[in-house]
Formats: sequence, C-alpha cells, structure tokens
Amino acid sequence: KQEVTQIPAALSVPEGENLVLNCSFTDSAIYNLQWFRQDPGKGLTSLLLIQSSQREQTSGRLNASLDKSSGRSTLYIAASQPGDSATYLCAVYGNNRLAFGKGNQVVVIP
Amino acid sequence: NAGVTQTPKFRVLKTGQSMTLLCAQDMNHEYMYWYRQDPGMGLRLIHYSVGEGTTAKGEVPDGYNVSRLKKQNFLLGLESAAPSQTSVYFCASSYDGQTYEQYFGPGTRLTVT
Repeated sequence: KQEVTQIPAALSVPEGENLVLNCSFTDSAIYNLQWFRQDPGKGLTSLLLIQSSQREQTSGRLNASLDKSSGRSTLYIAASQPGDSATYLCAVYGNNRLAFGKGNQVVVIP
Repeated sequence: NAGVTQTPKFRVLKTGQSMTLLCAQDMNHEYMYWYRQDPGMGLRLIHYSVGEGTTAKGEVPDGYNVSRLKKQNFLLGLESAAPSQTSVYFCASSYDGQTYEQYFGPGTRLTVT
C-alpha cells in the first residue's frame, strides 16, 4: 500500500522567505505526483502536476521537483506572501487512485 | 464552464437515515472519484469510476454505494447513515488517471447525529 508522508505538519515563516515543503512516498511505481492547495473549509486547488518521467515543474513562484527513485518530491514557493497561508497536500497516482499525504499547514507572517 | 459541482453543500442526518450526494462535471472527463476527508486521516478514496456505467471500490467503500449512469454525474449513496460517516466528502474528475490532473469539487459537509 502506498504511504505518503509530509513533514513538517505545520510551519510558520516570515513574509518574503522561501518555503520548502517535503513529500515522501513508499512505492516508486507512480504515474504522476500532484501538489494541491487547500484553504480552510474549501476544496482542493491543483497547483502542479509532475509526470513520472519529469524531474520538475514550474508555475510562477512555484517549483516542484520529483525524484521517483528515492520517493521524494519538494515544493518550493519563492518569496512567500500572507496569501500563501494554506494547507499544501501532496498526492501520488498509481493503481487507479491518488494517495494523499496529510498536508503541510503553512502560515506566512506579515 | 462550472468544473466540478457537488450537491448539497451541507447536510445533517440522523443515524439510520439515507441520502444521496450528487457530483456533476462539465469537462467530459472519463474518470470520477469520491473521497472523504477526516481530521488526522487525510483524504481517502471511497469509490471511483473509469467511465459511464462503471464503478469500483476504493480504500474505504463500506457503507457507501455509487452509480455512474451518465458520464457527467457520479452519485454517492449512504443507505443507513452512521456517526462514523460524519466527514467532508469531495468529488473529483480527470480525463484519465495517469496523465491528467484531478479537479476537485467544493465538498459536502455531512454530519450524522
């Protein structure tokens, strides 16, 4: 069974600092990895999708890397802003399903 | 283009009552999914569908049934609600499971008393 771990569970950073969020997974037989953002009481918004053959994806201030062999992905958010405060979820796709981590709860302090 | 919509947004049930949650997508996606999200447990897959007329069990299917009679709709049914089914339910869809991202609905918050 695929296990997805996100560490740390919660973190606070001052505005302007770069955010680094880590995700690890136990089974490297994945088709893709997806990072989501979830605001309190809201649904999930897809941020980035990385195919298993790719090493990284970028969108604006966001960059996600994937090392399938070591079972790791990292989400970088450059120059964090208070509006980046949210929970970030990592999910890996295999066997017809997404397996989710429990999330990194991020607070950006103005 | 509404994306993925869910009906209702909130619901309170008494133990033993039944209800159906409706998910609709207007993106012509083949795959649809139902998840539940619980504090400390993360999101877990209940059932999924890889096309009209198909359904399959996910990680936590007990106590739920689903139907996909039309490509754009995926229904989740609770025949006899239990307090353990108190949760937030999310529907998602994608073109396929491997290449394309999943799009999520806004969620349904269900409380069973």
